[in-house]
Amino acid sequence: DGGITQSPKYLFRKEGQNVTLSCEQNLNHDAMYWYRQDPGQGLRLIYYSQIVNDFQKGDIAEGYSVSREKKESFPLTVTSAQKNPTAFYLCASSIMVGDRQPQHFGDGTRLSIL
Amino acid sequence: DAKTTQPTSMDCAEGRAANLPCNHSTISGNEYVYWYRQIHSQGPQYIIHGLKNNETNEMASLIITEDRKSSTLILPHATLRDTAVYYCIGGNAGNMLTFGGGTRLMVKP
Repeated sequence: DGGITQSPKYLFRKEGQNVTLSCEQNLNHDAMYWYRQDPGQGLRLIYYSQIVNDFQKGDIAEGYSVSREKKESFPLTVTSAQKNPTAFYLCASSIMVGDRQPQHFGDGTRLSIL
Repeated sequence: DAKTTQPTSMDCAEGRAANLPCNHSTISGNEYVYWYRQIHSQGPQYIIHGLKNNETNEMASLIITEDRKSSTLILPHATLRDTAVYYCIGGNAGNMLTFGGGTRLMVKP
């Protein structure tokens, strides 16, 4: 089945540690996105990518980094500079930036601090 | 993205229609209205979208007012599994969507 796979489902980070969240899609979508969701809140955009080897900062990019070496993959690294990383992280994809077709989401990764 | 306003919460009896309103008075002419829902601890699920005509699919119907300043999502026969937070978004999905607080729908037996 086509879709978006995020892993792991749960992740724990120690102080000063970088962690990487995986996002893979087999929908042949050009655009991919990372959002952060805090309890009881809506989603906030961290980074997005329109095409391979290209990505742009969203509203809350500080303390995060991404790469887009393959069309199917858009990993998110939560660095030690992100002082409040505990949240639910969601990856999404769409056919292309600017298109009207909806974004599709993975089932998220819940990150907590040890 | 257009700013949207939704009620914080709503209740609906199981088997009845759930009508979820959304105001998007600042929506521009080429921006669509999208509806997603999110069940606890899962990713948002796309429901439906439209520009100016009413739309229907296997999940729901979307009624958009003629002036496009508001819309209503209709779940024709709500079930307990429809309990979720419903988000109304104005924009173009290929751009960066802005998710607000949404409406928490509780379907009761």
